[in-house]
Amino acid sequence: GAGVSQTPSNKVTEKGKYVELRCDPISGHTALYWYRQSLGQGPEFLIYFQGTGAADDSGLPNDRFFAVRPEGSVSTLKIQRTERGDSAVYLCASSLHGTANTGELFFGEGSRLTVL
Amino acid sequence: KQEVTQIPAALSVPEGENLVLNCSFTDSAIYNLQWFRQDPGKGLTSLLLIQSSQREQTSGRLNASLDKSSGRSTLYIAASQPGDSATYLCAVQKHNNNDMRFGAGTRLTVKP
Repeated sequence: GAGVSQTPSNKVTEKGKYVELRCDPISGHTALYWYRQSLGQGPEFLIYFQGTGAADDSGLPNDRFFAVRPEGSVSTLKIQRTERGDSAVYLCASSLHGTANTGELFFGEGSRLTVL
Repeated sequence: KQEVTQIPAALSVPEGENLVLNCSFTDSAIYNLQWFRQDPGKGLTSLLLIQSSQREQTSGRLNASLDKSSGRSTLYIAASQPGDSATYLCAVQKHNNNDMRFGAGTRLTVKP
């Protein structure tokens, strides 16, 4: 597609439920990132994929959070047993890979998660 | 760990003013620095990217400078307009395709 697409744009769930957030990166971008942004704060790094593998998952806050990218394109961020503190906007970004690229990140519009 | 700080946190100016937003980072071993704009409830829009070997980048009324040795970048906006009202975020990338670390942003309001 023309840009990074994220679905759903809004998700309201109850504490303890399971949630999946989807990211469809720009076609041909091999690098994919998930960030979390709380109100009034800058985005906080969660996980970075290079192709199908998670190259850096050091930002995932705990084992309730998991992300996959099975075919090296679409990625799903999965949150188990959601807590009220998980409420935030979850942003996805993608970039080209290779020595010739600038490393410039392109972001989606985000998925706003509200845990009641 | 890389820490990114943006000053001021909020700024309000009358239309037509030139203004400077500041970004500082603690680890000067960066690959690039990127400035973004974020409108309320929206994602981030890339404005300018400066590679570590560069000193500045320009796009229209925007000019971003980078002083890697001192850990600073500035975003200069000329002849500000109400449509420039948004939150401006800077982010630094340590290695190509690793994650970027963000500041908390500067919330800019340009009054007509």
